[in-house]
Amino acid sequence: EVQLVESGGGLVQPGRSLRLSCAASGFTFDDYAMNWVRQAPGKGLEWVSGISWNSGGIHYADSVEGRFTISRDNAKNSLYLQMNNLSIEDTALYYCAKGPANWGPHFFDLWGQGTLVTVSS
Amino acid sequence: DIQMTQSPSTLSASVGDRVSITCRASQSISGWLAWYQQKPEKAPKLLIYKASSLESGVPSRFSGSGFGTEFTLTISSLQPDDFATYYCQEYASDRTFGQGTKVEIK
Repeated sequence: EVQLVESGGGLVQPGRSLRLSCAASGFTFDDYAMNWVRQAPGKGLEWVSGISWNSGGIHYADSVEGRFTISRDNAKNSLYLQMNNLSIEDTALYYCAKGPANWGPHFFDLWGQGTLVTVSS
Repeated sequence: DIQMTQSPSTLSASVGDRVSITCRASQSISGWLAWYQQKPEKAPKLLIYKASSLESGVPSRFSGSGFGTEFTLTISSLQPDDFATYYCQEYASDRTFGQGTKVEIK
């Protein structure tokens, strides 16, 4: 079955760190760029970060630049998001999302179910 | 940065209605636009890419049109399963989403 499964979310205090993971299955993971997209409670969608098939191209939204780091391990079919210095505004459901090609700005043709990150003291 | 503006924010309609949602970009994005459907507590689902290309498995009652800065998602005959929130997304540069349009039962 083609799917993405996120994990690693939870409750964390402001200023702390958290690492999200996304396990891919059912497709050739290293053929595709991957992304993180988030959705704050009751709000719309916000692209967070994207990484090319070989990790040679990495982009971030301005809102997370310098605090978040995206990475991937193609041998493990896994995508990661290291989130440092978290703020209340980072509270959201974080989706792992696959691109249709190995790089470039693109749409997202496969989504996971999301993992919830709550930043609160 | 490219801004994406959807209208209306909420749309009330009945089963069988033809409905249209508009998405405007703050600058030209050529045809680099996608549409998604999201139901409560579910992940978004890709409907349309490259402004008018239907994703595999998506019913043909969904269609997209437009180029440059103005785009439209049309549902030709609204079905009960179509009541949801719809988002546009540009991928010319920033991967910016519109704010969403909720299609609700009239």
